[in-house]
Amino acid sequence: AQSVAQPEDQVNVAEGNPLTVKCTYSVSGNPYLFWYVQYPNRGLQFLLKYITGDNLVKGSYGFEAEFNKSQTSFHLKKPSALVSDSALYFCAGGSQGNLIFGKGTKLSVKP
Amino acid sequence: DAGVIQSPRHEVTEMGQEVTLRCKPISGHNSLFWYRQTMMRGLELLIYFNNNVPIDDSGMPEDRFSAKMPNASFSTLKIQPSEPRDSAVYFCASKPGQVVGNQPQHFGDGTRLSIL
Repeated sequence: AQSVAQPEDQVNVAEGNPLTVKCTYSVSGNPYLFWYVQYPNRGLQFLLKYITGDNLVKGSYGFEAEFNKSQTSFHLKKPSALVSDSALYFCAGGSQGNLIFGKGTKLSVKP
Repeated sequence: DAGVIQSPRHEVTEMGQEVTLRCKPISGHNSLFWYRQTMMRGLELLIYFNNNVPIDDSGMPEDRFSAKMPNASFSTLKIQPSEPRDSAVYFCASKPGQVVGNQPQHFGDGTRLSIL
């Protein structure tokens, strides 16, 4: 069965420090992978996607994600976290079937 | 451009009542999805449509739930009769092209449903 896993329920980071939100996938064939962000009382907003090509994908708000085929991972990263980055982050993936969402990781950035 | 529009944003009603949630997808998007989000179960896919046709409703929890898409610019999710365990945030999302494909889904801001 295909799946997307986000192993951390919560990630805590100090403002200005780099952040990483982890995602691993189990998707048959060539996967396409997404990151979404959800702010309180809002819907999910698209951040970035990987289809093929460069393993480092750049997206909105200074976020980037690294696709690693051997480790089946697609971790979200940002060099310097902002308090305003605090939100719920979802990884999602698919290939032949419908998009599968992870359970989400709450990112908390403290001043 | 307008995004996905959902109404109402909040709904509070008593158990046993009929609830209708509405969604207007982004113009030109062929695929439409309904999701439910709760703290306990996270984000659950309920049903999705392509070109106004329901493709998979296996995520609909019970026969009390039904969804329609009478045209390309409107969809409804109906719960009848409603129960307290239906309380959740319901999201509609749309995307261009086929359901299976690498275009991102665009989400509305959801309807927060509370069944008393």
